[in-house]
Amino acid sequence: DIQLTQSPSSLAASVGDRVTISCRASESISNYLNWYQQKPGKAPDLLIYGESNLQSGVSSRFSGSGSGTNFTLTINSLEPEDFATYYCQQSYSSPTFGQGTKLEI
Amino acid sequence: QLQLQESGPGLVQPSETLSLSCAVSGDSGGSGSYYWVWIRQPPGKGLEWIGSIYHSGSTYYNPSLKSRLTINLDTSKMQFSLKVSSVTAADTALYYCARQKGWSGYYDYWGQGTLVTVSS
Repeated sequence: DIQLTQSPSSLAASVGDRVTISCRASESISNYLNWYQQKPGKAPDLLIYGESNLQSGVSSRFSGSGSGTNFTLTINSLEPEDFATYYCQQSYSSPTFGQGTKLEI
Repeated sequence: QLQLQESGPGLVQPSETLSLSCAVSGDSGGSGSYYWVWIRQPPGKGLEWIGSIYHSGSTYYNPSLKSRLTINLDTSKMQFSLKVSSVTAADTALYYCARQKGWSGYYDYWGQGTLVTVSS
């Protein structure tokens, strides 16, 4: 299995901040990296697919970058609704998820 | 708007078989190059891919669970199912069904999830 390690595991930030979340793969996954946002009691929502493609309807404040083994999710100008848990997921081989990053106020 | 809805027992006895269904409705629910996926999340923990089925009927399973899994697809009813045999407390989780768009491997539509507890 390809392991995904997210950092940090939790992050405190304020409205208006810019934050970055890292996802490192245990081996190269090309650009087969997707990001999801999950709010308490809800199913995850797709934010970014294929490393940098913004899912339809998702705010342009979200962006993804990286390739190979190192990937980053960036959120610009944090809004109150952005405080949630974020997961990366690789689809290069048998799918796996990162452990999650909880973004807190 | 595509909708997915999980259903099934919320409580399963240890060593028994967990059975869930996912009903798909709405636009593009019944055609196209889609995979239909099961994902689970133990309470307070992260996400785990269980397995998927292509519209052709081909199945793909998590290697760590493969021996206990069966995923089926009924295209006439536009629903798919999950069976996990010989369950233990470790199988207690929120179970989600989702749609994977083609071979890209990302999940663009999710059900709301259904909690399954394994306990006597």
